[in-house]
Formats: sequence, C-alpha cells, structure tokens
Amino acid sequence: AQSVSQHNHHVILSEAASLELGCNYSYGGTVNLFWYVQYPGQHLQLLLKYFSGDPLVKGIKGFEAEFIKSKFSFNLRKPSVQWSDTAEYFCAVNAQAGTALIFGKGTTLSVSS
Amino acid sequence: DAGVIQSPRHEVTEMGQEVTLRCKPISGHDYLFWYRQTMMRGLELLIYFNNNVPIDDSGMPEDRFSAKMPNASFSTLKIQPSEPRDSAVYFCASSLAGKPNQETQYFGPGTRLLVL
Repeated sequence: AQSVSQHNHHVILSEAASLELGCNYSYGGTVNLFWYVQYPGQHLQLLLKYFSGDPLVKGIKGFEAEFIKSKFSFNLRKPSVQWSDTAEYFCAVNAQAGTALIFGKGTTLSVSS
Repeated sequence: DAGVIQSPRHEVTEMGQEVTLRCKPISGHDYLFWYRQTMMRGLELLIYFNNNVPIDDSGMPEDRFSAKMPNASFSTLKIQPSEPRDSAVYFCASSLAGKPNQETQYFGPGTRLLVL
C-alpha cells in the first residue's frame, strides 16, 4: 500500500530563514505528487504539483519542490520564509489520475517575525 | 469559479442525531472525494465518485456512514447515528480527469463537526 512520510512534525523558523520540508513516499510505480497548504482555519490549497518532466517544480508564493525518484522524495523548499507562511503543509501522492490522494501527517510551520 | 462549496461550515450535534454534510463540486468536474481530517489519523479518504458513481468506499468507517451523489453538482455525506468519535473536519474535493494521468483535486472549506 502507498504511504507518505513527512519527517518534521513541527518546524519553527524566523522570518527570512530558508525552509525545507521533507516528504518521502512508498510506491514502486509512477506517482503524481502534490504539496498542499492549510492556513489556520482555512481549507487545503494547492501549492504545487508534479506529474512528469522537469523534477524541479515551482509553485505559488515562492515555493518549489524537487522530485528525486531514486530517493522516493519530494521535498518542499522556500529560500526565505515570511510570517504569513505560518500554516500546516501536507505532502500527498496518488498513483494515477482519478484516485484518492494519500496524505502525509502534515508539518506545522511556525514563522516568527 | 466559486470553487468547491460545502455546507454547513460548522455543525454541533448531540450523540445519536443524524448529520448531513453537503458538497457542490466545481462545475464540470467528474470526480468527487470525501476526506476526513482528525488529529490522530490526519487526512483520510472516506469515499469517492466518478460521474456520480461510487468508485471506492473502503474508507467509510462503518454502516453509520453513507454518501450519495444524485447528480453531477451535489453530494451528501450522512452519519446516522452520530457518535463523539465522528468529530472531525470533513472535506469535499473535486477534480477533472483531463490529460492522461494529470488531475488535481481542489478542496472545499470543510465542515467542522462536533458531536457531543
């Protein structure tokens, strides 16, 4: 069965610090990969997605993620975080279009100003 | 586009009562998903539909839960009778299977359910 692991449960950073959130998945075949963000009290919003092609994908709000197939990883990065990035971040995968997403447990990011 | 619409946004009920959650997917989308978010288990699929037909309901906890999609623009998730352990945020998501193997799910605002 597919599973997704997010290594960091809670990350605390100061503004302007760089961010990297880890995500590993277990599945032997081709996968679609996603990062969603959930701001306090709000719904899940798509940050970025990877289907195929360039393994470095750019999303909204200055976020990017790199797919490393050999490591089954899809880590999320941002060079300089802002206070407004305080939120919970979820990595998700599915094996093919039209199937359910498998989510990681989420990483809470707290950014102090 | 209005996005995925869910109602109610908050629901407080007493144990044993029937609860109905509603979802309107994005117009034109052919997939609809119901997920549940809890502190203990995170985000998990309950059921999903394709063209109004249930495809996978393996995540539905037990017979107390049922879901319907009578048409392409409306779905309900019903819990009868409700129990305190059903307290969670229930999200609806929809997607369109466009290009082969490229499909993005868009989430609604969720319904925060509290069963006392």
